[in-house]
Amino acid sequence: DVKVTQSSRYLVKRTGEKVFLECVQDMDHENMFWYRQDPGLGLRLIYFSYDVKMKEKGDIPEGYSVSREKKERFSLILESASTNQTSMYLCASSLAGRETQYFGPGTRLLVL
Amino acid sequence: GQSLEQPSEVTAVEGAIVQINCTYQTSGFYGLSWYQQHDGGAPTFLSYNALDGLEETGRFSSFLSRSDSYGYLLLQELQMKDSASYFCAVRISGGYQKVTFGIGTKLQVIP
Repeated sequence: DVKVTQSSRYLVKRTGEKVFLECVQDMDHENMFWYRQDPGLGLRLIYFSYDVKMKEKGDIPEGYSVSREKKERFSLILESASTNQTSMYLCASSLAGRETQYFGPGTRLLVL
Repeated sequence: GQSLEQPSEVTAVEGAIVQINCTYQTSGFYGLSWYQQHDGGAPTFLSYNALDGLEETGRFSSFLSRSDSYGYLLLQELQMKDSASYFCAVRISGGYQKVTFGIGTKLQVIP
């Protein structure tokens, strides 16, 4: 079974803090994705990566950056957290050429 | 950009059939996926359609009409455990496997 894990289920940070969200997948998937999920807005893509050190902006990249130094790990960085970044963050991975995305359990981030 | 429309809520009776529609507007359409998400859980993949027609997987079927920019998810013999949110997602051609999700349809199955 594919397993996607995220470093924290819940996180509370203060405005202006630098925040790291980590995602690890164990199935050698080429593609990895970061989404945020907000009520009434569905899942919105922040960034994705199709290979180590490669990244592409999604639909809402502002205020975020990412890092993929190893194939299994994809990090989302909030350089200076703001209250409007309070959300559920979901990581996903997929095999190149396949449509199925496998999601992690999510990190619920609260920025005070 | 892409836009997708799906109903925000649907209620159906246990044992019945329910259809969740999804219309999309996008250039370079490649395929339509469906995901299920229970409250507090992670989305899980249900189906993918790239060609017109119906794809059946057990009690769930998914349909696509590329000419109408329309698809639907059909759930048969509804069970209480089918209560969840259902998201359609479009993939466009010419790029990596990026998809855009709809806002989701919350399905409530009642006895």
